[in-house]
Amino acid sequence: GESVGLHLPTLSVQEGDNSIINCAYSNSASDYFIWYKQESGKGPQFIIDIRSNMDKRQGQRVTVLLNKTVKHLSLQIAATQPGDSAVYFCAETRGTGGFKTIFGAGTRLFVKA
Amino acid sequence: KAGVTQTPRYLIKTRGQQVTLSCSPISGHRSVSWYQQTPGQGLQFLFEYFSETQRNKGNFPGRFSGRQFSNSRSEMNVSTLELGDSALYLCASSLGARGTDTQYFGPGTRLTVL
Repeated sequence: GESVGLHLPTLSVQEGDNSIINCAYSNSASDYFIWYKQESGKGPQFIIDIRSNMDKRQGQRVTVLLNKTVKHLSLQIAATQPGDSAVYFCAETRGTGGFKTIFGAGTRLFVKA
Repeated sequence: KAGVTQTPRYLIKTRGQQVTLSCSPISGHRSVSWYQQTPGQGLQFLFEYFSETQRNKGNFPGRFSGRQFSNSRSEMNVSTLELGDSALYLCASSLGARGTDTQYFGPGTRLTVL
């Protein structure tokens, strides 16, 4: 069935270290991928996106890598800060003339001070 | 510019009742999507509307329905509530018709079914 999954449910990192959150997707026809951050009591917040014709995209302290060969997506956070503690979701959007976004299970990131 | 707003923020209902949730998108946004979030199933797509038309629907029973008004505001309705419908219901809006338009989420409505 449709799924976008995550390899690790939780990740604990030391403040200042780099974090890597991984995600596997199942539909090779998906053409747009997004990472969201969700803090407690809030809705998901857009972090960064990437289209299927790219393999890397960088933002402020974040990098998304896309490997279409193995249908794998990763989010790298540089110099992780306590404010980065949250649940991170990967998502893929499918469809034309109407779309649906499929979310992964989520990874909880803990940043230790 | 105001963000996506959802009302009410919290709701308690009993089994068999029905409920209507409301979503006001960001001004100028014409696409609204709805999601259900539970600890067991995660974030699941319910439906997406654009210009008052439902363009896509997730795998939910017919008890879940929605609509969009001409001002892009959207409502979703759940009839004959079941305990398993307890969840956080999230609404997201985006500017246009494309899936690549960034979706902005509201804070959600927490529904508890007793």
